[in-house]
Amino acid sequence: RKEVEQDPGPFNVPEGATVAFNCTYSNSASQSFFWYRQDCRKEPKLLMSVYSSGNEDGRFTAQLNRASQYISLLIRDSKLSDSATYLCVVTYGGPFGNEKLTFGTGTRLTIIP
Amino acid sequence: DAGVTQSPTHLIKTRGQQVTLRCSPKSGHDTVSWYQQALGQGPQFIFQYYEEEERQRGNFPDRFSGHQFPNYSSELNVNALLLGDSALYLCASSLAQKIAGQGNTEAFFGQGTRLTVV
Repeated sequence: RKEVEQDPGPFNVPEGATVAFNCTYSNSASQSFFWYRQDCRKEPKLLMSVYSSGNEDGRFTAQLNRASQYISLLIRDSKLSDSATYLCVVTYGGPFGNEKLTFGTGTRLTIIP
Repeated sequence: DAGVTQSPTHLIKTRGQQVTLRCSPKSGHDTVSWYQQALGQGPQFIFQYYEEEERQRGNFPDRFSGHQFPNYSSELNVNALLLGDSALYLCASSLAQKIAGQGNTEAFFGQGTRLTVV
């Protein structure tokens, strides 16, 4: 089983719609959780961190469920510019402070005009 | 601020050859991590350098080696290239988290080096 699993999609969604992605992780000792965005042939960029209490940044809402070991990302009122691959990322507790990032395979989203 | 810069951007090598990829971290960052991203996959952690030493390593053979210089820049070396080494190689820099258990500081990625092995 992969450490971090995502539905690869593709998700083809009309502009203005709401879309949700889920991600599951296998290690219950996981410590930090993130969503990264990667545009075609570009580098990944941090979209938002994910907290148990849930967090919102404009049209984006992220949620963590530690008991079920899944992470979600909700995008409301989707824009054409939201078209990208969304990567779920997990780190595990360790002695180094900045632990390695463990990525899912990514979910590809295309917003249709 | 130039951000994280990597060179070269593209590279074509023949099986069996050796390659060196370079990374300059974002200004003020002291930690450099390398990732391999195959087509259609998420990035896979290769190793991390801090204070000129390899601090963490992923599941990659010892054909993959690296170095960090006093100015925090880093190199990734791959020997005896295989066709399966064809991928986007990403460098990420961050500022060391001085307190373990407090979670990662933000990592910034370079644009990557696309390596094709033929």
